[in-house]
Order: sequence, then C-alpha cells, then structure tokens
Amino acid sequence: DSGVTQTPKHLITATGQRVTLRCSPRSGDLSVYWYQQSLDQGLQFLIQYYNGEERAKGNILERFSAQQFPDLHSELNLSSLELGDSALYFCASSLSVTNEQFFGPGTRLTVL
Amino acid sequence: AQSVTQLGSHVSVSEGALVLLRCNYSSSVPPYLFWYVQYPNQGLQLLLKYTSAATLVKGINGFEAEFKKSETSFHLTKPSAHMSDAAEYFCAVTPGGGNEKLTFGTGTRLTIIP
Repeated sequence: DSGVTQTPKHLITATGQRVTLRCSPRSGDLSVYWYQQSLDQGLQFLIQYYNGEERAKGNILERFSAQQFPDLHSELNLSSLELGDSALYFCASSLSVTNEQFFGPGTRLTVL
Repeated sequence: AQSVTQLGSHVSVSEGALVLLRCNYSSSVPPYLFWYVQYPNQGLQLLLKYTSAATLVKGINGFEAEFKKSETSFHLTKPSAHMSDAAEYFCAVTPGGGNEKLTFGTGTRLTIIP
C-alpha cells in the first residue's frame, strides 16, 4: 500500500459525458501528479500540482482539467469524453525534493 | 528533453535464472533514473532509483541496476528469478533539479517459466 488513494476504482460512462477522478496523496506529500496509461499511448504524464499550484503540464487535452485543493487532495476532470479516453488514470504523490513518486492503484475509465 | 528506451517488450526467463531488463536513456542534463514494477491490476511500485550518487543501485526484492554514463544505460538485473517477479517493468527518467515529471519507457513484460 503506497498510501495514495484514488476513487473510484472503476468508472463506466458514455461518450460526451463528464467525470471526476479523485486522489488523496500520502500524508505530508505536497506534490500530486496525474498519469494516463493506455494500450496505444503507454504511460503519459498529464499534469502536476504542488501545494495547490499547477507546476508542470504534459500531454493533457484541453477537455481535461485538474486542481489541487487546500487539503492537498486533487481532482482530475475529464469532459466531452471520447472512446479514446478509456484508460487507467494514475495519481502519484511525492515530497518534491526526493523526486520519488508513490503511485495510487489507479482508476480504470471505460467510455462506451 | 529526456527519454528512455526499453529494449524488448517481452522477456521470458526460467525460474532461478538471471533477469536482465534493458533501459537506455537520452538526456540533455544529468538524469534521475527509476525502475518501477506493475503487477496485474495494480499501480506502480518503485523498485529503485538513481540520483547521481552511487552508480550501482540496490532496490527491493533483490533487484539492482547500474548507471553507465558511457553507454547511456540503466539496465535492471536480478541474479535469480522467482515466480513472483512476473510483472511489467517500466524504466523512467526525470531531469531532476526540481522537475519531477516522469517520462516512462514502453515497458517490458517479464514472464517466469517454471
């Protein structure tokens, strides 16, 4: 158990819909990262927050957005969903100085 | 920009044999390198990391990796494979220095033959 929690574990929805994925980092970690794992794209970095502020952006679509709240949990919002958005979405957290990221169990999103 | 290349999407070894998973990196700055393991239907777990200290890094579960700058490699080894090592392994790189964005390789699926 990494100490990072993600909810829900599974999510099935339809094209065009909007979903929210939630992540709670390890106690004390200020950085939260979101990654997408799909068969065709592999593991890709989406976005990073540090203590509530956006710190780095990767291959995140404009239809996707994220935020980190004062209690340090983070949410990834996916809208206007397409079939190709079906993937595993991982959240990770770290003490940024060590660069060591601890991953949550992931949310499996299926878009039908 | 940083990148890693994992040679071999699938590797099979016999139980008790040497495990060697290959990773080559490309980086414009001294990199931080990582190996993660992913068991079926689970998240990623850090096996080991290199952050410019000792070039031979020991990790969990008997794995180790050696940073070779001349070969731009960071191969993962384990002297004797165990059935429980069957999983997918990912090499990853960050530029470090406060930039923690992980860039992953495409992964190597390790199968252990009884």
